[in-house]
Amino acid sequence: KAGVTQTPRYLIKTRGQQVTLSCSPISGHRSVSWYQQTPGQGLQFLFEYFSETQRNKGNFPGRFSGRQFSNSRSEMNVSTLELGDSALYLCASSPRTSGNNEQFFGPGTRLTVL
Amino acid sequence: GQQVMQIPQYQHVQEGEDFTTYCNSSTTLSNIQWYKQRPGGHPVFLIQLVKSGEVKKQKRLTFQFGEAKKNSSLHITATQTTDVGTYFCAGPFPHASGGSYIPTFGRGTSLIVHP
Repeated sequence: KAGVTQTPRYLIKTRGQQVTLSCSPISGHRSVSWYQQTPGQGLQFLFEYFSETQRNKGNFPGRFSGRQFSNSRSEMNVSTLELGDSALYLCASSPRTSGNNEQFFGPGTRLTVL
Repeated sequence: GQQVMQIPQYQHVQEGEDFTTYCNSSTTLSNIQWYKQRPGGHPVFLIQLVKSGEVKKQKRLTFQFGEAKKNSSLHITATQTTDVGTYFCAGPFPHASGGSYIPTFGRGTSLIVHP
């Protein structure tokens, strides 16, 4: 099976702009989670989508949003970018079978906000 | 505050030495996972522990879940240069607003192996 793919891999934006990142999960996985990774805060959970519904949400402002399509592909959007949004954004898919919390991470999108 | 503490933050070892990283939670966990992230890479799932006192082995790696399900450890025997990376533990923590659990990662332990 192909792994989790994320596009784009690198992105440079300026403050105030908005950005959309895309994630294609492993075939058959219905759960997609998004994380932000920074040297200062580590790996932080943004949200999880399952069957097109947001199942869970972390402690991020409303500028961070996401959605999931019927084919399980997911996008996350960050509006009104701030310098502090510079980070590696990771997407992870999971089969979400009972008791199995294994997550398969994609390579990430490196976002730089200038 | 930090809900999952991992120590040490960094560990330098000579190739062939053993390595251990510890994960301590502020609350009882239903399960805990361990991931490895190579420099420049993404986290890769290693294992999940569910039962109190559970011990699992993967070749040179030994994972343990504490009796109280609030701490865990990863031990590597006879490290190799391929073991280089950051090891994270992760568990489900109750959301501040209540009603759901969110996956919470420790800050990780970076292992540096000197040949």
